[in-house]
Amino acid sequence: ETGVTQTPRHLVMGMTNKKSLKCEQHLGHNAMYWYKQSAKKPLELMFVYNFKEQTENNSVPSRFSPECPNSSHLFLHLHTLQPEDSALYLCASSQTRQEPHDEQYFGPGTRLTVT
Amino acid sequence: GQNIDQPTEMTATEGAIVQINCTYQTSGFNGLFWYQQHAGEAPTFLSYNVLDGLEEKGRFSSFLSRSKGYSYLLLKELQMKDSASYLCAVADSNYQLIWGAGTKLIIKP
Repeated sequence: ETGVTQTPRHLVMGMTNKKSLKCEQHLGHNAMYWYKQSAKKPLELMFVYNFKEQTENNSVPSRFSPECPNSSHLFLHLHTLQPEDSALYLCASSQTRQEPHDEQYFGPGTRLTVT
Repeated sequence: GQNIDQPTEMTATEGAIVQINCTYQTSGFNGLFWYQQHAGEAPTFLSYNVLDGLEEKGRFSSFLSRSKGYSYLLLKELQMKDSASYLCAVADSNYQLIWGAGTKLIIKP
């Protein structure tokens, strides 16, 4: 049990659908992250929130929209996705964003398939 | 650009020792992490190195040479449960983690 949960675990959606991914951490951390993991590629950092403020957006297309209502919850809203967006979406948290040695705790991910 | 290189796949025998290498070129350096990821599961933290040298933690050890931009993860007394992907990541000058593509380790009986 890593203390970070994600729902749903699997999602199939058409290109015209709107869906949301949810992440919750029970570790009392202040930083939360969204990553995209595609087969045989490095983890791609998408968004970072530190104390509920978005601190990084790594040139992510606007069809991905994050939301962080509080330090424990993080959402990724999806709309008009493309087939190349099919991937594993991982949420992670860490104590803060400022300390480089803070390890990140990952959720199990949402396997997204766009048809 | 920033780059992390590690082998795509390695095979080893149960009970043996395996070394997984990682080389990096990044904008600044604030430490190097190793994570383990079993198929279909979340990555989990294994080690963090910021100073040169070897850090030992049970059957796993991690080595860092900052001057060479090089690290390795050493796994001893391999067990079948060690079959997983091993991810190398470097914290750059902005504390952002730059990730390698991972090394898939296959353990054979």
